[in-house]
Amino acid sequence: ETGVTQTPRHLVMGMTNKKSLKCEQHLGHNAMYWYKQSAKKPLELMFVYNFKEQTENNSVPSRFSPECPNSSHLFLHLHTLQPEDSALYLCASSDRTDTEAFFGQGTRLTVV
Amino acid sequence: RKEVEQDPGPFNVPEGATVAFNCTYSNSASQSFFWYRQDCRKEPKLLMSVYSSGNEDGRFTAQLNRASQYISLLIRDSKLSDSATYLCVVTFNKFYFGSGTKLNVKP
Repeated sequence: ETGVTQTPRHLVMGMTNKKSLKCEQHLGHNAMYWYKQSAKKPLELMFVYNFKEQTENNSVPSRFSPECPNSSHLFLHLHTLQPEDSALYLCASSDRTDTEAFFGQGTRLTVV
Repeated sequence: RKEVEQDPGPFNVPEGATVAFNCTYSNSASQSFFWYRQDCRKEPKLLMSVYSSGNEDGRFTAQLNRASQYISLLIRDSKLSDSATYLCVVTFNKFYFGSGTKLNVKP
């Protein structure tokens, strides 16, 4: 186990639904990340939080809304998604933004 | 120019072969360097950090050349279980992932 857990592991949602992805890290890290990985494509950074403050939003559409209530938890709130948003959403954490990152197992999202 | 560039492969090698991957990075002030491994439909997992002096972990050897701005990964005596995508990662205040090099080890 990596110490980073994501729930749910799989999610199917309609385009009008609202859902949330959850990430929790048990490593005492200060930085947390959301990444998107579409089929057979590289990782795309979405958001970075450092000490609970958002330090990067990589031009992500507003239908994705992150929340970081404390250094151990990170959420990604989803609403009115499009089928092209179907992908593997990965959460990661690291002690600093230049030290090794550890990933959760991801949420495989399908938008129908 | 991308911050991190890798040959996407695939590299198709027989069991027991030695295979090497290279990765180049554009920012000379980059701070830390890593190799990650990603299996199909799974999350990336840290394989090893890369240091200027070079480092070895069993069959895996990583090297960093700051002057030429590249890092390398050498896998000796390839196993079927080494089949995966290998991601090069460079940091400069944040992580920059390469797009990955796919390795297929054949019986």
